[in-house]
Amino acid sequence: ILNVEQSPQSLHVQEGDSTNFTCSFPSSNFYALHWYRWETAKSPEALFVMTLNGDEKKKGRISATLNTKEGYSYLYIKGSQPEDSATYLCASYGGSQGNLIFGKGTKLSVKP
Amino acid sequence: KAGVTQTPRYLIKTRGQQVTLSCSPISGHRSVSWYQQTPGQGLQFLFEYFSETQRNKGNFPGRFSGRQFSNSRSEMNVSTLELGDSALYLCASSLSGSGANSPLHFGNGTRLTVT
Repeated sequence: ILNVEQSPQSLHVQEGDSTNFTCSFPSSNFYALHWYRWETAKSPEALFVMTLNGDEKKKGRISATLNTKEGYSYLYIKGSQPEDSATYLCASYGGSQGNLIFGKGTKLSVKP
Repeated sequence: KAGVTQTPRYLIKTRGQQVTLSCSPISGHRSVSWYQQTPGQGLQFLFEYFSETQRNKGNFPGRFSGRQFSNSRSEMNVSTLELGDSALYLCASSLSGSGANSPLHFGNGTRLTVT
């Protein structure tokens, strides 16, 4: 069974701080890695879909990297803002199962 | 383009009853997946439908079932409700299915409370 782990579980930062989270997943039969942002009272929103080893994607102040050989992905937020407060989910899709497996998420709180 | 719509938003049911949740995907999306979220747990995959066929199923008891109609709308049914079924149920649609290469687009969810 595929296990996706995220760390830390929660994070409290000050406005302006840069931060990063980790997502680890089994590297065998890897196919794709997804990142989602889930704000309170809203639905999860896709940030990135990454498939290639060494892939790096960026959306505004948020970027992500992917290492499929060692089975991890990092999500970076530069200059955190209060509106970045949300739970960040990663999910892995592997060849041995036909669906995305989600981690439990990292809950980010940004204080003004 | 309208997003993924889930109805109802909230439901309160009694143990032993059954419930049906509905999901309308984004127009053009043929894949609909269902997830359950309970406190302290990640999103747990229930099943995926693609072009009216169940393509994949998660590790849930047979009390959980679903279907998809020709217009891609999907329903999920839970029979003989148990207290542990209280959860947020999320539906997501995607172009290629299972979110492999294309992202999932989620609805706002149905909050089910079983008393």
